[in-house]
Amino acid sequence: EAQVTQNPRYLITVTGKKLTVTCSQNMNHEYMSWYRQDPGLGLRQIYYSMNVEVTDKGDVPEGYKVSRKEKRNFPLILESPSPNQTSLYFCASSLGGGKAFFGQGTRLTVV
Amino acid sequence: DQQVKQNSPSLSVQEGRISILNCDYTNSMFDYFLWYKKYPAEGPTFLISISSIKDKNEDGRFTVFLNKSAKHLSLHIVPSQPGDSAVYFCAASPYNNNDMRFGAGTRLTVKP
Repeated sequence: EAQVTQNPRYLITVTGKKLTVTCSQNMNHEYMSWYRQDPGLGLRQIYYSMNVEVTDKGDVPEGYKVSRKEKRNFPLILESPSPNQTSLYFCASSLGGGKAFFGQGTRLTVV
Repeated sequence: DQQVKQNSPSLSVQEGRISILNCDYTNSMFDYFLWYKKYPAEGPTFLISISSIKDKNEDGRFTVFLNKSAKHLSLHIVPSQPGDSAVYFCAASPYNNNDMRFGAGTRLTVKP
């Protein structure tokens, strides 16, 4: 079954404690992205990757890092989380120029 | 600055009637437009798309209309069903969805 898998689904953490949200896809897609969803703002792109070792900033990259060492994995790293990073996060993958497949989301709370 | 706008946060329609969801965009570089549907506790799923060379695309009960001169698109659902109740996101990209921009979403409620 084609899918994008994110972990964890829910996470509560404290300010400043580094965390990683993993994302994996089994469709051999070249493109992968991270979004955050906030009320009234829709989905905003954090980072995207066009292929292995190729990443670029989206609209709201501050406070986040990503890496793309393998085609299937695209982890999102928060080196020093802050309360304003409390949000619902989605990973997505696609072949490009077409529809994206999204993971089920990670609800992050930073206290 | 939101380049894709969905000005109606919510819409309620009766089962069997038409649902019309609207979306406006500001960036003339966008030439590919998509609609995604999102249920609670799930990720968005692709619904329908349209490229800028067309003004209409139909898939079953779902039709997307594009008016390039007005920078406006709409999603029509006919007939609406209770299972269509979800949040609908409009998205646009320059035919490269690395750079896909989303609207804020419209919550559709279809009442039995």
